[in-house]
Amino acid sequence: DVKVTQSSRYLVKRTGEKVFLECVQDMDHENMFWYRQDPGLGLRLIYFSYDVKMKEKGDIPEGYSVSREKKERFSLILESASTNQTSMYLCASSASLAVSYNEQFFGPGTRLTVL
Amino acid sequence: DQQVKQNSPSLSVQEGRISILNCDYTNSMFDYFLWYKKYPAEGPTFLISISSIKDKNEDGRFTVFLNKSAKHLSLHIVPSQPGDSAVYFCAASPSGGGSEKLVFGKGTKLTVNP
Repeated sequence: DVKVTQSSRYLVKRTGEKVFLECVQDMDHENMFWYRQDPGLGLRLIYFSYDVKMKEKGDIPEGYSVSREKKERFSLILESASTNQTSMYLCASSASLAVSYNEQFFGPGTRLTVL
Repeated sequence: DQQVKQNSPSLSVQEGRISILNCDYTNSMFDYFLWYKKYPAEGPTFLISISSIKDKNEDGRFTVFLNKSAKHLSLHIVPSQPGDSAVYFCAASPSGGGSEKLVFGKGTKLTVNP
């Protein structure tokens, strides 16, 4: 079974803090993604990476950055947390198209609250 | 511009009856479609998918229908069970170009009443 793990299930931070969210997958997937989920807005893609040290902006990258130094690990960084970044953050991974269609496997999510 | 639309934010059905969740898309380049199920405080889990070369795919109680001319797909759950109560997301993937991105709808919250 594919396993995607996220470093924290719940996190509370203060405005202005730098926040790191970590994601690890154990299936040697090439692609990794960060989404946020908000009520009524569905899943919105923040950033994704299709290879080590590669990254591409998603639909809402402002206020975020990412790091992928190793294939299995993809980090989301909130440079200076703000209250409007309070959300559920979901990490996902998928194999390359050469292997399978685009099924993405999700982690359990991190509920981040910024006070 | 929303490329994948789930126009019903919520749906309530009785246990044992059929649940039909709908999804519309606007991008004719989409050629692979997926449904995900999400419980509160958990990540989405893959449920069923369909490629554009098919018009139907079944997996147990779950069937997905695709109408390419109408750019519409639907998920049928028969019979519905209380454990099916969750948020269901429709997602689509464009063909070609090696894109691995999925475009998600906003979700439909299904409640199955005992």
